[in-house]
Amino acid sequence: QKEVEQDPGPLSVPEGAIVSLNCTYSNSAFQYFMWYRQYSRKGPELLMYTYSSGNKEDGRFTAQVDKSSKYISLFIRDSQPSDSATYLCAPEGPANAGKSTFGDGTTLTVKP
Amino acid sequence: DTEVTQTPKHLVMGMTNKKSLKCEQHMGHRAMYWYKQKAKKPPELMFVYSYEKLSINESVPSRFSPECPNSSLLNLHLHALQPEDSALYLCASSQEVFGGLSDSPLHFGNGTRLTVT
Repeated sequence: QKEVEQDPGPLSVPEGAIVSLNCTYSNSAFQYFMWYRQYSRKGPELLMYTYSSGNKEDGRFTAQVDKSSKYISLFIRDSQPSDSATYLCAPEGPANAGKSTFGDGTTLTVKP
Repeated sequence: DTEVTQTPKHLVMGMTNKKSLKCEQHMGHRAMYWYKQKAKKPPELMFVYSYEKLSINESVPSRFSPECPNSSLLNLHLHALQPEDSALYLCASSQEVFGGLSDSPLHFGNGTRLTVT
């Protein structure tokens, strides 16, 4: 079993839709939960990170972590064509410090 | 533009060639990384340097040889590669490897797209 499983996609939505991207993980030692966004032909860039359980909001983006169910979500409100990219979840903890364990990524296309 | 600069952007090499990939960051980060990314796959960790010392080698074949000349520079020397080594090679940096994880998200460069013929 992989340490991190990510909903595979691809996902195609109309502009303005609410998008939900999801991951599950198996290692209960994970404490920090990163979301990276990768545009085509670019390196990944950090979008958001959260510590432990709870929600974190940044503009149109909300990251949610439920440690009891080992479930990570990223919500995008009012999605824009510029959000079209691959989104990678990457939990981290002492057990894998320095070795971000990436999900396989979900490719999102937002159509105008 | 990213704060991690990688050169060259593209590289085509034969299986008998020797080449090097270069990475530079000026954010004062003490950890630097090499990742390999195949198409439609997530980045796979190859090497981690912490304070200029190799701290993690993910069982990478010896035809890949990393080097960290100083805290801002990271090289990846390539020799006798195979066609299956063709991929996007990403360099990343972070504040620290151990401790302060919440302040240590990865900052990636845009990668070198390597083709081995």
